[in-house]
Amino acid sequence: GNSVTQMEGPVTLSEEAFLTINCTYTATGYPSLFWYVQYPGEGLQLLLKATKADDKGSNKGFEATYRKETTSFHLEKGSVQVSDSAVYFCALIGTNTNAGKSTFGDGTTLTVKP
Amino acid sequence: SQTIHQWPATLVQPVGSPLSLECTVEGTSNPNLYWYRQAAGRGLQLLFYSVGIGQISSEVPQNLSASRPQDRQFILSSKKLLLSDSGFYLCAWSQSGVAGELFFGEGSRLTVL
Repeated sequence: GNSVTQMEGPVTLSEEAFLTINCTYTATGYPSLFWYVQYPGEGLQLLLKATKADDKGSNKGFEATYRKETTSFHLEKGSVQVSDSAVYFCALIGTNTNAGKSTFGDGTTLTVKP
Repeated sequence: SQTIHQWPATLVQPVGSPLSLECTVEGTSNPNLYWYRQAAGRGLQLLFYSVGIGQISSEVPQNLSASRPQDRQFILSSKKLLLSDSGFYLCAWSQSGVAGELFFGEGSRLTVL
């Protein structure tokens, strides 16, 4: 079946530091890949997505590139802010997934200190 | 535009009491609907999903049940809560027939004492 493995946290960075959160996946075919963000006490919201190999998703300074050869979708940001503190989830939807069900990683907690 | 709302946001219930969490979606028709649970410090576990009225699929055996009495209404229930039912419950929807992103509600924090 499909699976997502993401970098274990928590991750603590200083403001303006470079961020990488690793995500690798196992899936048949050509899944769509997503990063969601969850701020404290809230539901998840889509951060960015990529639907085919070599696509780059980007939003709010975050980027991730769909690498089929390494089955990866690592999240990066060049300069983090305190407001980026949240839990980040990598997820996929497989091409043969029933009812559009998503498979999620366990989440990575990011804390950015001023 | 589409919106999703779930309630209540927070509740504290004794062991053995019933549960009802409700979720509604506006601005779309025939959505796929989902209930997830998020235990403290852990990822999301899919509990139920529905592709249409009255159609419920369960992902894990448990003490909970779900119902979809209307196209855009999804209800999570229990007859008798257990301590292990404590957690953060999230309702979500996605567009039917499209392998696209999920749109989540605000979440409901349940504490069973």
